Amino acid sequence: GIQVEQSPPDLILQEGANSTLRCNFSDSVNNLQWFHQNPWGQLINLFYIPSGTKQNGRLSATTVATERYSLLYISSSQTTDSGVYFCAVELFRGGADGLTFGKGTHLIIQP
Amino acid sequence: EADIYQTPRYLVIGTGKKITLECSQTMGHDKMYWYQQDPGMELHLIHYSYGVNSTEKGDLSSESTVSRIRTEHFPLTLESARPSHTSQYLCASSPSGSYNEQFFGPGTRLTVL
Repeated sequence: GIQVEQSPPDLILQEGANSTLRCNFSDSVNNLQWFHQNPWGQLINLFYIPSGTKQNGRLSATTVATERYSLLYISSSQTTDSGVYFCAVELFRGGADGLTFGKGTHLIIQP
Repeated sequence: EADIYQTPRYLVIGTGKKITLECSQTMGHDKMYWYQQDPGMELHLIHYSYGVNSTEKGDLSSESTVSRIRTEHFPLTLESARPSHTSQYLCASSPSGSYNEQFFGPGTRLTVL
């Protein structure tokens, strides 16, 4: 099956710092999503970005599908940005095949 | 407001009990999914459905079963719960077609004693 690798696995930053999270995947995909999982376990949709660049406030993401990677940028970090960030991809096989998740980046923002 | 709901949010139950985890969505989506997540780990797909009367097993083997009798409803059942079933279960849905963003419910945290 498709492999999804996220880096770094852990990241500790001071409030106000910027960060870049990376997601590499092993095959062509028709769906790539970034999620933030909060301490209560809920997955918050950040970006649906199978290709191209998007921005939403302090967050932005870029997917280079031809090179099989995606980047999530967080600028001016706040303590509420802490949590686990997951990249997930769907390999198109003609149906509703579901997402394959990376192991996540555990981000801690210190005040 | 269009949303995806899961009940119960937390469940503590004894070994051998039958349980059903409920998932409903009001987003009008055809596709629905169940994922399992152990603490500190990534999510794994255990079941999915293209629409009514369609169910498929996901990449992670699971002793649970699902049904899809109504478009908006996708319950998951464990006939005889065991401690190894202790995990978080998340339900998701997505539209048909080329735009297939998945949206997740709040999850059910299951503990089997």
